[in-house]
Amino acid sequence: GQQLNQSPQSMFIQEGEDVSMNCTSSSIFNTWLWYKQDPGEGPVLLIALYKAGELTSNGRLTAQFGITRKDSFLNISASIPSDVGIYFCAGLPWGGADGLTFGKGTHLIIQP
Amino acid sequence: NAGVTQTPKFQVLKTGQSMTLQCAQDMNHEYMSWYRQDPGMGLRLIHYSVGAGITDQGEVPNGYNVSRSTTEDFPLRLLSAAPSQTSVYFCASSYVGTDTQYFGPGTRLTVL
Repeated sequence: GQQLNQSPQSMFIQEGEDVSMNCTSSSIFNTWLWYKQDPGEGPVLLIALYKAGELTSNGRLTAQFGITRKDSFLNISASIPSDVGIYFCAGLPWGGADGLTFGKGTHLIIQP
Repeated sequence: NAGVTQTPKFQVLKTGQSMTLQCAQDMNHEYMSWYRQDPGMGLRLIHYSVGAGITDQGEVPNGYNVSRSTTEDFPLRLLSAAPSQTSVYFCASSYVGTDTQYFGPGTRLTVL
């Protein structure tokens, strides 16, 4: 099946720093999604990307759909304590009938 | 509007026992799916359904059965639990043709 390589696995940063994480795939995706999961909760959708090259923002979050359709990145600017959690990328292939393929997650830890 | 609900929240089983994880949604979504989340593995698709009476296998279907008799409910059955099925299970739903999947809060299952 399709696989997504998400990096880094974990990040330890200071409050106020910017964060960058990315996902790469061996195959093409039609849609890229970024989710955040808080402890004990299910993932919540942050940003959805539909077109190659698309750059989308949601508050302090910015995500881009790579030109090759095989990668995406997520940036968080000026991190705050509530940004702590696990961030997942997910890809939806053309047609999307088989459901989402998830990356293994980036665990974000913020030190005050 | 409760969104996606899952019961139970926690469950401990002995090897060989059977049980059903419940999932319900009140958003009239056609698409429902089950994922399992293991440390360092991200979320992996077990089974999914695009409507009542229609189910299909995902990436890791072995050891699990599903049925979809109504739009609202999508139970996941473990017929003979194994320690390898220790995991956190998430149910998700969405409209067919959209990528915005709404996740339930999860069921944490331990098989001894």
